[in-house]
Amino acid sequence: DAKTTQPNSMESNEEEPVHLPCNHSTISGTDYIHWYRQLPSQGPEYVIHGLTSNVNNRMASLAIAEDRKSSTLILHRATLRDAAVYYCILRENNDMRFGAGTRLTVKP
Amino acid sequence: NAGVTQTPKFRILKIGQSMTLQCTQDMNHNYMYWYRQDPGMGLKLIYYSVGAGITDKGEVPNGYNVSRSTTEDFPLRLELAAPSQTSVYFCASRRTGTNEKLFFGSGTQLSVL
Repeated sequence: DAKTTQPNSMESNEEEPVHLPCNHSTISGTDYIHWYRQLPSQGPEYVIHGLTSNVNNRMASLAIAEDRKSSTLILHRATLRDAAVYYCILRENNDMRFGAGTRLTVKP
Repeated sequence: NAGVTQTPKFRILKIGQSMTLQCTQDMNHNYMYWYRQDPGMGLKLIYYSVGAGITDKGEVPNGYNVSRSTTEDFPLRLELAAPSQTSVYFCASRRTGTNEKLFFGSGTQLSVL
């Protein structure tokens, strides 16, 4: 099974950019890369996804390496409300399995 | 749309009791999922369903059962509750498609004492 590897935790200062890395060296050609985040005491929420090209939306940007073995979620200006656990997930078949994620702390 | 609705929000069970966690969605999504999240940990997939009448095991199915008689509902049954099943349970759904996003409910906090 294709799996992802993320750092356990990261810190950022408010209003600075944050780059959250994810390694997925065994990714297959048809796996989409999804990112979700989980705010304290809430269920996860969708952030962004992509296949090969870099993607942007109102929440974040997703940069995908050319060989697709890694990706980076970019929050352009972190706010205190962005403090959450961020999950990088590969879509395999029909199930969607979450890893441990990266806990992002945003300092004022 | 209400989205994904889970009931109850909180429940305390005694060891050996049984209960059903309810999950319903009003988005006509074919795919539904049950996850559990232990304190300070990530989500673990328990069961999922790709449509009415079809269910499949995830990573941690032991001690649980599911059914999918309608598109809207995907209940999770706990038989003979054990302290190891103390967790927060999340239900999610999505449309059919290779890159459709998951929508989550607000969770059920279950304690088995």
